[in-house]
Amino acid sequence: DTEVTQTPKHLVMGMTNKKSLKCEQHMGHRAMYWYKQKAKKPPELMFVYSYEKLSINESVPSRFSPECPNSSLLNLHLHALQPEDSALYLCASGTQPGTGSFGYTFGSGTRLTVV
Amino acid sequence: QQQVKQSPQSLIVQKGGIPIINCAYENTAFDYFPWYQQFPGKGPALLIAIRPDVSEKKEGRFTISFNKSAKQFSLHIMDSQPGDSATYFCAASKDNFNKFYFGSGTKLNVKP
Repeated sequence: DTEVTQTPKHLVMGMTNKKSLKCEQHMGHRAMYWYKQKAKKPPELMFVYSYEKLSINESVPSRFSPECPNSSLLNLHLHALQPEDSALYLCASGTQPGTGSFGYTFGSGTRLTVV
Repeated sequence: QQQVKQSPQSLIVQKGGIPIINCAYENTAFDYFPWYQQFPGKGPALLIAIRPDVSEKKEGRFTISFNKSAKQFSLHIMDSQPGDSATYFCAASKDNFNKFYFGSGTKLNVKP
């Protein structure tokens, strides 16, 4: 299995809702990432988990809360989002830093619309 | 400050042409340079990557040229096809930090 699976593919939520995005990989990768991508822009790193521990938080607002329950799963919990948070949210996994990382494997993303 | 600068923003070529996309970086600590291809509604997919001890790498129709002294690298797509129409991102990383800095992207349109 060489895929990163993200669910749901599309999500529409109100500003008072609580929702979660899910990401799963079975490649044995020990680093997992959340990215945000706006239209016609490159992906922007949000969070990095290394061996299930949060290693990088790119000063992301607290309305985004990541969770890594185990080495195969990554969640992003959403609460009280703003319309400007509407974007494509990408999950990625990769080999552990310093082991000759060859790049990420990205999922297809969750298209989030905040109304 | 943008760590990786990419040009052009968009590119139109005829089928069979050789589009070239360029990237430049400043941080000499970068030691890994991948290229990603992204189709609308999909996540980026790794195309090809290079390390600075190599000046050129070829995989199928895709070639990376790397100029360490100029701190530049470029992607060449040989015999381009309409199916290559996508957005291409270059990136750079310091392997031990496991963080990638992406270029701004190039939208390629290959006309039949």
